[in-house]
This record gives sequence, structure tokens and C-alpha cells, in this order.
Amino acid sequence: DIQMTQSPSSLSASVGDRVTITCRASQSISSYLNWYQQKPGKAPKLLIYAASSLQSGVPSRFSGSGSGTDFTLTITSLQPEDFATYYCQQSYSAPFTFGQGANLEIK
Amino acid sequence: QVQLQESGPGLVKPSETLSLTCTVSGGSISSYYWSWIRQPPGKGLEWIGYFSNSGSTKYNPSLKSRVSISEDTSKNQFSLKLNSVTAADTAVYYCTRGKYGSGAAEYWGQGALVTVSS
Repeated sequence: DIQMTQSPSSLSASVGDRVTITCRASQSISSYLNWYQQKPGKAPKLLIYAASSLQSGVPSRFSGSGSGTDFTLTITSLQPEDFATYYCQQSYSAPFTFGQGANLEIK
Repeated sequence: QVQLQESGPGLVKPSETLSLTCTVSGGSISSYYWSWIRQPPGKGLEWIGYFSNSGSTKYNPSLKSRVSISEDTSKNQFSLKLNSVTAADTAVYYCTRGKYGSGAAEYWGQGALVTVSS
């Protein structure tokens, strides 16, 4: 199985800040990397697919980059509704494993 | 708009079989990839498996001997069966539809909490 490691596991930031979350794969996954946002009690929501493609309806302050083994999710100008848990997932090879999550809290 | 809804028992006894159904509206299950993903309380996401319109199925090796995913195109539903359950299988179970060409889970059901307890 491909292991996905996110860092940091938790972070705190203020409204208006720029935040970056990283995700590292245990082997190359090309650009088969997806990012999700999950709020308490809700299903995850797809934000970014194929490493850098913005899902329809997702604000442009979210962006993704990377290929191979190293990827980043960047949120510019944090909004109150962005405080949530973020997961990366590889869809290169089954099982389509997830990172452990990054909990973004309000500072 | 595509909508998915999980249904099934919320409580299953240890050693028995967990069965969930996902009803899809707004699109046919004859296309795309359809998956099950679970999340134990307070923990992260675990991919269980998928079936595709080409007829292929893939399962997580950690569950492979206990899990099966099947489809009922006449009802536009697909199902999950997980046998010999233990307390470690207690989780919210989500059904999802894959985004064409990427494998990302684009549409999600609201989730169904299944508790394994006697």
C-alpha cells in the first residue's frame, strides 16, 4: 500500500492568513492526489483533484500543487468557514489511501 | 444533481455481517466508479473498495477476505457487505461516486453510523 503522510497534523491560524498543508506519498503517484475538507458531523468535500485542479464551486483561494511524491494545499486569505480538517488521498493505486488529516483551528 | 443515500442497520452484533445499501439519484450507476469509505469515530478516513462500470472491483487488502461490493442496476443501488465484524468496524460508512479520470470521490452520501456491539 502507498502511505500518505500529512504535515502538520494540526495548525492554528487567523482569518486572513495564508496556510499551507503538505502531503507526502511513500512512492511516486504522478498527479493522482486529491484534497478534501471535512467539517464536524459532515461528509468530506472534494476541493482539489489531480493535484492542482479546482473542483467546481470551490473558492479560488484554495489551490494545490505538486507531483511525484510531494504535494501542497494552500489556502490564501483564510475565511471563518475554512476552519476544518483537511485530508489528502492518492488515487494512483488501490487501495486509495488517505493521509491522517490536518486539523486547522482558529488562533 | 447526483445524490447518494446510505441505509441499513445502525447496530450489528460481533461476528455478524454488516450490510449497507447506497441509493443513487440523479445519475446511473452504470457509469463511473462507486466506492465505500469509512471513518471510525474521531479518526481518519479509510478506503474500503469500489466497483466500476467496466465490471471491475477492488478492495482494501486489509479487509479483502471479509468485504464485498455489489450493484443492483435495476434499483440504481449498490451495496456493501462486511462479515465477521468486530468493534473495530464501528464507523461512519460513506458511499461515494468517483470523478471521471481521477479517482477522486466527487459525490458523497451523508454517511451511516454503524456500531458493532452485543
